[in-house]
Amino acid sequence: DVKVTQSSRYLVKRTGEKVFLECVQDMDHENMFWYRQDPGLGLRLIYFSYDVKMKEKGDIPEGYSVSREKKERFSLILESASTNQTSMYLCASRPQGSTGELFFGEGSRLTVL
Amino acid sequence: LAKTTQPISMDSYEGQEVNITCSHNNIATNDYITWYQQFPSQGPRFIIQGYKTKVTNEVASLFIPADRKSSTLSLPRVSLSDTAVYYCLVGGFTSGTYKYIFGTGTRLKVLA
Repeated sequence: DVKVTQSSRYLVKRTGEKVFLECVQDMDHENMFWYRQDPGLGLRLIYFSYDVKMKEKGDIPEGYSVSREKKERFSLILESASTNQTSMYLCASRPQGSTGELFFGEGSRLTVL
Repeated sequence: LAKTTQPISMDSYEGQEVNITCSHNNIATNDYITWYQQFPSQGPRFIIQGYKTKVTNEVASLFIPADRKSSTLSLPRVSLSDTAVYYCLVGGFTSGTYKYIFGTGTRLKVLA
């Protein structure tokens, strides 16, 4: 069974802290994505990676960075967390060349105080 | 990139057929249309995907007109467990990059 695992389901951080959200997939997928989900705004793409060490900005990359050193792992980094980054973060993966099915993790709910 | 528009919410009764329409006027030639279902505190999960005309699987049907500027997800005989948010997603390998744009979702509430 396919699996996308996000390291933390719930995190509470303070303003200015550096935050790492980890995502691991066991399906050997080339493409990985980070979305954030907020009430009334749906899912918005932050960053995606179509292969190891490759990354591309999504629609809302400001305040975030990513790292893809290994194929199975895609990390989202908040260099200096702010309260407006309180949100649900969803990681997804898909194989290269497929027509679109994304496999999602369960999500990480981040609260920044 | 194709922006998608869906109704914010819909109510239905158990046993009825539910149709949710998504508008995507700027869909690109390479884009596919995919629908996802999301329950609270879970990630979205795939329901159905299509490129044109009609696609049917064991849980839903997807109708796409010839101009592909919209699509309709059809859920036959809904039950209470179909209460969820449904997202329309348009995307593919467009202009040398993979990007998938979600709509804001339709919150479906199924009533007994």
